[in-house]
Amino acid sequence: DIQMTQSPSSLSASVGDRVTITCQASQDISIHLNWYQQKPGKAPKLLIYDASNLETGVPSTFSGSGSGTDFIFTISSLRPEDIATYYCQQYDNLPLTFGGGTKVQIK
Amino acid sequence: QVQLVESGGGVVQPGPSLILSCAASGFTFSNYAMHWVRQAPGKGLEWVAVVTSDGSNKYYGDSVKGRVTVIRDNSKNTLYLRINSLRAEDTAVYFCARAQTGDFPRGPDYWGQGTLVTVSS
Repeated sequence: DIQMTQSPSSLSASVGDRVTITCQASQDISIHLNWYQQKPGKAPKLLIYDASNLETGVPSTFSGSGSGTDFIFTISSLRPEDIATYYCQQYDNLPLTFGGGTKVQIK
Repeated sequence: QVQLVESGGGVVQPGPSLILSCAASGFTFSNYAMHWVRQAPGKGLEWVAVVTSDGSNKYYGDSVKGRVTVIRDNSKNTLYLRINSLRAEDTAVYFCARAQTGDFPRGPDYWGQGTLVTVSS
């Protein structure tokens, strides 16, 4: 199985800050990576697919990059409504696997 | 708009089986692979199973393999998950989710709101 290592597990930042989350795959997954946002008590929401493509309707303050084993998710300017847990997920091979999540809080 | 509505959760004792349902609407259900993903209380996301669009191929996560069966009824636009030999560690919110279009496998795009299964004596 492909292991996804996500860091940090949590972070606190100020409104307007740039936030960066990393995700590392245990083997080459090409660009087969999604990023999700999950707010408490809600279902996950797809933000980024194929490592860097923004899902329709998702604000351009969110972005993703990377390929192979190393990936980065960025919020260019943190807003209060971005408070959530973010997950990476690989779909290069079954079983699908998720990173452990990054909880983003406002400082 | 895409809607996925899960049902069938509740408090159940260890041992028996349980069937979860997911009613789909707002898209051509028979054109999409479908996933089940679960989330234990306070924990991260765990992929459970996927079934291809025509129901011919099914794949399962390691932690549930042998105890879980995913079924779909394209005539009823409904996805099912049968869990046998329920254990405390099956306690979780179970989400059904539509797979993205493209080469199989693809991850989920739209998710239901989830149904909570609590296994407790």
